[in-house]
Amino acid sequence: AQSVAQPEDQVNVAEGNPLTVKCTYSVSGNPYLFWYVQYPNRGLQFLLKYITGDNLVKGSYGFEAEFNKSQTSFHLKKPSALVSDSALYFCAVRDHGGSQGNLIFGKGTKLSVKP
Amino acid sequence: DTAVSQTPKYLVTQMGNDKSIKCEQNLGHDTMYWYKQDSKKFLKIMFSYNNKELIINETVPNRFSPKSPDKAHLNLHINSLELGDSAVYFCASSQDLSLAGGKTQYFGPGTRLLVL
Repeated sequence: AQSVAQPEDQVNVAEGNPLTVKCTYSVSGNPYLFWYVQYPNRGLQFLLKYITGDNLVKGSYGFEAEFNKSQTSFHLKKPSALVSDSALYFCAVRDHGGSQGNLIFGKGTKLSVKP
Repeated sequence: DTAVSQTPKYLVTQMGNDKSIKCEQNLGHDTMYWYKQDSKKFLKIMFSYNNKELIINETVPNRFSPKSPDKAHLNLHINSLELGDSAVYFCASSQDLSLAGGKTQYFGPGTRLLVL
């Protein structure tokens, strides 16, 4: 069965410092991986996805993620954090089972960026 | 223009009532989904529809009944509401079910349901 793990409940970063939000996955077959962000009392916004090709994927708001097949990881990164990046971040994998198409989410990581 | 919209945004109701949440997407997508986010922020698929046809029905009580009148709409009706139904319900859509390009899902703003 497909699954994703986000090992950190919360990540604290000072503004201007680089940030990393970790995600590992377990899938049968090729992984289709996604990152979403949820601001307080808002819906989920798509940040980026990995399907195939270059292991470094660039997305919205200056975020990028690195796919590492040997470590089964898809960590989200940003070179310089902003206070406005503070939000809940979800890693997700697309369910390969049959033709279902739904996403399987990690439990989320709360990112807190302090000035 | 909002791509995926839901109404209402907030819903406060008594136990035992019946309520509906509406979802509309203007992206021309074939596939729509309902997800539930519990109090611990955990997100889980409830249903998915492709071209108005039910594809997934996860282990959801049969008090929950989705209805898709057309490809652009997927409504969620809940009978005999219980305290445990309190959650945020998100609608989402994607172009289709194919794996090609790893079809991105776009989410609505959510409906915050509180059952008293």
